[in-house]
Amino acid sequence: ETLLTQSPATLSVSPGDRVTLSCRASQSVSSNVAWYQQKAGQSPRLLIYGASSRATGIPARFSGRGSGTEFTLTISSLQSEDFAVYYCQQYYNWPPSITFGQGTRLEIK
Amino acid sequence: EVQLVQSGAEMKKPGESLRISCTGSGYTFTDYWIAWVRQMPGKGLEWVGFIYPGDSDARYSPSFQGQVSISVDNAVNTAYLQWSSLKTSDTALYYCARHAQRSFYSAFDPWGQGTLVTVSS
Repeated sequence: ETLLTQSPATLSVSPGDRVTLSCRASQSVSSNVAWYQQKAGQSPRLLIYGASSRATGIPARFSGRGSGTEFTLTISSLQSEDFAVYYCQQYYNWPPSITFGQGTRLEIK
Repeated sequence: EVQLVQSGAEMKKPGESLRISCTGSGYTFTDYWIAWVRQMPGKGLEWVGFIYPGDSDARYSPSFQGQVSISVDNAVNTAYLQWSSLKTSDTALYYCARHAQRSFYSAFDPWGQGTLVTVSS
């Protein structure tokens, strides 16, 4: 099973900050990585797929990069509505096996 | 609009059986894989398994193999997650999600609203 390790677990930031979240895979997953945002009491929402493609309706301040084992999600200028938990996910393995990272929580400093 | 609507919250006793549902609309139901994801209280996301409604091919996470069963009824565009004997450790919020592309090698979009399952004696 491919493990995904996200860092940091929690990040205290201020509105307007630029933040970069990290996701590392225990083996190569090519570019088959997605990022999700989950706000309290809500279902996860797809932000990024294919490591770097923004999902429909996602603001341009969200961007993803990486391939192989190292991936990042960058929010260029944090808005108040961006404080949430962010999960990375890989969907590469055969036999089919999907894993999520443990999440990074963005908190208001 | 593509939408997944899940059944309501359930409260069960250990040993009881349960089936929760996820109904898709706004797309051809048989063309896309449907996944189930568990979120235990205060914890992260765990993939349970997925199913292709076109031929009912279901795959499971090793952690959930033999513990749950995933099925579909294409006549009502609905996928199911089923337990034959619940444990208190099954207490969690369960989401269904559609694969965004016609392949299981794709992200999940959209997600259902979640079904809270509480198992307690």
